Amino acid sequence: QQQVKQSPQSLIVQKGGISIINCAYENTAFDYFPWYQQFPGKGPALLIAIRPDVSEKKEGRFTISFNKSAKQFSLHIMDSQPGDSATYFCAAIDGNKLVFGAGTILRVKS
Amino acid sequence: GAVVSQHPSWVICKSGTSVKIECRSLDFQATTMFWYRQFPKQSLMLMATSNEGSKATYEQGVEKDKFLINHASLTLSTLTVTSAHPEDSSFYICSGVVSGNQPQHFGDGTRLSIL
Repeated sequence: QQQVKQSPQSLIVQKGGISIINCAYENTAFDYFPWYQQFPGKGPALLIAIRPDVSEKKEGRFTISFNKSAKQFSLHIMDSQPGDSATYFCAAIDGNKLVFGAGTILRVKS
Repeated sequence: GAVVSQHPSWVICKSGTSVKIECRSLDFQATTMFWYRQFPKQSLMLMATSNEGSKATYEQGVEKDKFLINHASLTLSTLTVTSAHPEDSSFYICSGVVSGNQPQHFGDGTRLSIL
């Protein structure tokens, strides 16, 4: 049973465009929502994270939007660059366990 | 900050051998470390959670006698894959966390190939 549902599975965006990845969850015990970026052959790296009492968090070109009532959150990558091409995972924390979404393979075309 | 080092990064060995993977937190004390397995084009699957000085807690379906985890100090955890077989070939990734619901920091993974 997938506790965190992520879409789309893959995404192609033109350089300079906006990349949007969506996630939804059911477990209301989740209290922390990080996003990870993973390049091939590497471990995931923490990109940005948000707590459920905040509706939006922005760090540089990366923004998380959080809708607690809908139990949805999304990652927006502004001015997407070829170097952003990677796999992105949304996640949620329950206690100390991290539950990952299925991942989105992002390709930014130059 | 929050660097996790994993060694080796890639190992190839014969079926039936045992392989040890080390996970070190270099600049923080990880009270809890996690071990994940990731198959190609899939998400990370949690294998076990280990707290320093105590026995690891394994996820359902993960054989504790096959995947031995030791967390002897606040900066080192090891995963030993015993009597490895080709189906154990995967990307193994560890992470560490200081406490509570803080973000996990991941190592760069170990590519394990069993021939």
